[in-house]
Amino acid sequence: DTGVSQDPRHKITKRGQNVTFRCDPISEHNRLYWYRQTLGQGPEFLTYFQNEAQLEKSRLLSDRFSAERPKGSFSTLEIQRTEQGDSAMYLCASSQTSSVVSEQYFGPGTRLTVT
Amino acid sequence: LAKTTQPISMDSYEGQEVNITCSHNNIATNDYITWYQQFPSQGPRFIIQGYKTKVTNEVASLFIPADRKSSTLSLPRVSLSDTAVYYCLVGLIGRAGANNLFFGTGTRLTVTP
Repeated sequence: DTGVSQDPRHKITKRGQNVTFRCDPISEHNRLYWYRQTLGQGPEFLTYFQNEAQLEKSRLLSDRFSAERPKGSFSTLEIQRTEQGDSAMYLCASSQTSSVVSEQYFGPGTRLTVT
Repeated sequence: LAKTTQPISMDSYEGQEVNITCSHNNIATNDYITWYQQFPSQGPRFIIQGYKTKVTNEVASLFIPADRKSSTLSLPRVSLSDTAVYYCLVGLIGRAGANNLFFGTGTRLTVTP
């Protein structure tokens, strides 16, 4: 397993269009996280899944955003009616549920530019 | 939700030891301290995690005083490739969610020859 992968790496879209990003976690990891990162800021938590269940959503995740993890493996993050303020790096991470260490493994991210 | 405070930036020369301190005055009894490193255009990478006293691994040491209100990440003999942003997180082990996964703005370390 080569780690967490994300697709696409870059996406340019026009305002008002819908976009969908995919994340493939490390295969044995049951937790999957989505973050958003803007220039000069740290990653901001958006949501996370444990297996296929979405357990928490940040206030940052407006109703235009939806995330799924249908079979507890890969996940998709969809943004509907994109706005310029959605331009950011979208990061995915995965981890095992452990009582000892909460170590997340991040993917390379998808950079979204809304024009 | 500002649970941690770090310097915005630090500079160092190659070969020096770098200590980055993080303040977390409101740390809870069951909270752990975790540090991540992020290079430009990459996702963060886990460096080290600890609860109290000292933790050391192959890349860094983490010093946590008895009151646990701060922690110091120590990078021995830095090289140019250690130039990155370093984030300190405080939260419950094994717990996810916004309260436990707050990265803040981090400390931008610049290492020069």
